[in-house]
Amino acid sequence: KAGVTQTPRYLIKTRGQQVTLSCSPISGHRSVSWYQQTPGQGLQFLFEYFSETQRNKGNFPGRFSGRQFSNSRSEMNVSTLELGDSALYLCASSGLTGPNTGELFFGEGSRLTVL
Amino acid sequence: DQQVKQNSPSLSVQEGRISILNCDYTNSMFDYFLWYKKYPAEGPTFLISISSIKDKNEDGRFTVFLNKSAKHLSLHIVPSQPGDSAVYFCAASVRGATNKLIFGTGTLLAVQP
Repeated sequence: KAGVTQTPRYLIKTRGQQVTLSCSPISGHRSVSWYQQTPGQGLQFLFEYFSETQRNKGNFPGRFSGRQFSNSRSEMNVSTLELGDSALYLCASSGLTGPNTGELFFGEGSRLTVL
Repeated sequence: DQQVKQNSPSLSVQEGRISILNCDYTNSMFDYFLWYKKYPAEGPTFLISISSIKDKNEDGRFTVFLNKSAKHLSLHIVPSQPGDSAVYFCAASVRGATNKLIFGTGTLLAVQP
């Protein structure tokens, strides 16, 4: 079974630009979550999508947005990039639809550098 | 406000000995607590979890202990192996939003041969 796939793995942007990151979950998984990892901050929850609907949202500004398609693939977009947006963006999928332990399957991440 | 805290950024242990990683939390509404392991250039992988109604869960060399009165959990690895060297993240799931995990900042474990 293929794991969670994220593209691109690495990218460099300049301040003010926008970026779109893509995530393909494990086949059959309908929940996709996004996390931002920065040094010293751990992983911070951005948002979760389930069946094309945003189900949960973290405390990030509106410049961070996402969507999910009917095949469960998800994209996240960051507009008007700032230097502080430089981070590893991780996507995770889950196959459970109801209450669960929170076990997520993570991709390898997209490393964004903003210059 | 950091609801899940890992106060030790790093830990060094000899191969064969016990590794104990610690985590503190502040929110009593957490439903499950989880540990994830992360190698460089890879995504985190799930290691073990514990329900908020339990006080211990064991899986092979890994045991997680939960002390609800102290709002503290710990991960014990016995015996430690060089392949266990990685960053370990403690995480908690929010009741009613179980895929929204709150992570600690991680502890880098180095197991010396």
